[in-house]
Amino acid sequence: NAGVMQNPRHLVRRRGQEARLRCSPMKGHSHVYWYRQLPEEGLKFMVYLQKENIIDESGMPKERFSAEFPKEGPSILRIQQVVRGDSAAYFCASSPISSSADTQYFGPGTRLTVL
Amino acid sequence: DAKTTQPPSMDCAEGRAANLPCNHSTISGNEYVYWYRQIHSQGPQYIIHGLKNNETNEMASLIITEDRKSSTLILPHATLRDTAVYYCIVRSGNTGTASKLTFGTGTRLQVTL
Repeated sequence: NAGVMQNPRHLVRRRGQEARLRCSPMKGHSHVYWYRQLPEEGLKFMVYLQKENIIDESGMPKERFSAEFPKEGPSILRIQQVVRGDSAAYFCASSPISSSADTQYFGPGTRLTVL
Repeated sequence: DAKTTQPPSMDCAEGRAANLPCNHSTISGNEYVYWYRQIHSQGPQYIIHGLKNNETNEMASLIITEDRKSSTLILPHATLRDTAVYYCIVRSGNTGTASKLTFGTGTRLQVTL
């Protein structure tokens, strides 16, 4: 059973460009979470999605950031008009159709560098 | 979710048991204790979780005190590859908006020869 997959692993963008980060959950998992880790800081929750629904976006910046998890295909975290402060590692996690304590399994991350 | 307190760093000799403590004095009845680790800048790796009883798997053991206000993660025979930041996280057993993980600063475990 393949783990959580993220691509690209490294992404370089210039200020003002768009960044698209993709996450394919583990097989059979229908819950996806995105976390961000700024340099030398801890991981911070951004958004929680189930198929076609955003469940909790309390950690998402109000502007420029959006996320989706369509019925078919990977989850996408989209950052419009990137700025240098968006440079970070973005981790995706997935969990199975929920039990009361569903464990989240993380992908390897996408490292975004904004020039 | 309840707040956790961990020592910022610990050392352990290779081959010895590493015992990583965590305080979660405000934990409530339906909250689980989860442990993850992050090796260098890789994605966090799930280790173990528990509610009330002690748990053991192929990676580690989790000892939760009877009052559930603290716990200890035990790596029975630490190796150099166990050098990482270890996060103790208390998380609600509810689904929905309670599902997110709240990472603190963790314990930086350094395993030495």
